[in-house]
Amino acid sequence: ETGVTQTPRHLVMGMTNKKSLKCEQHLGHNAMYWYKQSAKKPLELMFVYSLEERVENNSVPSRFSPECPNSSHLFLHLHTLQPEDSALYLCASSQQERANEQFFGPGTRLTVL
Amino acid sequence: GEDVEQSLFLSVREGDSSVINCTYTDSSSTYLYWYKQEPGAGLQLLTYIFSNMDMKQDQRLTVLLNKKDKHLSLRIADTQTGDSAIYFCAEKRPGSARQLTFGSGTQLTVLP
Repeated sequence: ETGVTQTPRHLVMGMTNKKSLKCEQHLGHNAMYWYKQSAKKPLELMFVYSLEERVENNSVPSRFSPECPNSSHLFLHLHTLQPEDSALYLCASSQQERANEQFFGPGTRLTVL
Repeated sequence: GEDVEQSLFLSVREGDSSVINCTYTDSSSTYLYWYKQEPGAGLQLLTYIFSNMDMKQDQRLTVLLNKKDKHLSLRIADTQTGDSAIYFCAEKRPGSARQLTFGSGTQLTVLP
């Protein structure tokens, strides 16, 4: 595997379910990001982890809970989501000191029923 | 305004040049970027320009930066059907060490 991978690629869940999105980077980077992409809207940065510490949390509801167990893996735990949370969730990584060059995964298409 | 703005749609004929425009918000932004997103895929960094440059060329891609008007453009020469994708403009604002601010994306459709 190379680059940034995300699983699952598609996820359909009910509002009462608990699920997790997984991201893995094979680039030796030490910063990882979660973005939300909704149709016709700018990408919204949700969380940033640098050296496994959360360094940014952009007013994201608590029903989204990130976890970064090591510099290669990033999770987004989902609990009691709303239909308006349906979107493409993108993971990215970068070298901390070159944060301007972010490499993106293919995303997880999430549908909340 | 606070938003990075782009037109939502652009259609061109195969072989023509495409010009995708973007208006960004902060005249002191240090880097400006163009990302490409193909269907079902994540964003791919195409090119970026440092704010003290006016132009950057990389094969078929030409980036023009007008700092006075806070206007960024991406020109794709000899556009091919494989260039059909969504193109995102993004800026790195001073003081935001890791955060990029993205536009809504321009859907480029290349017609045969």
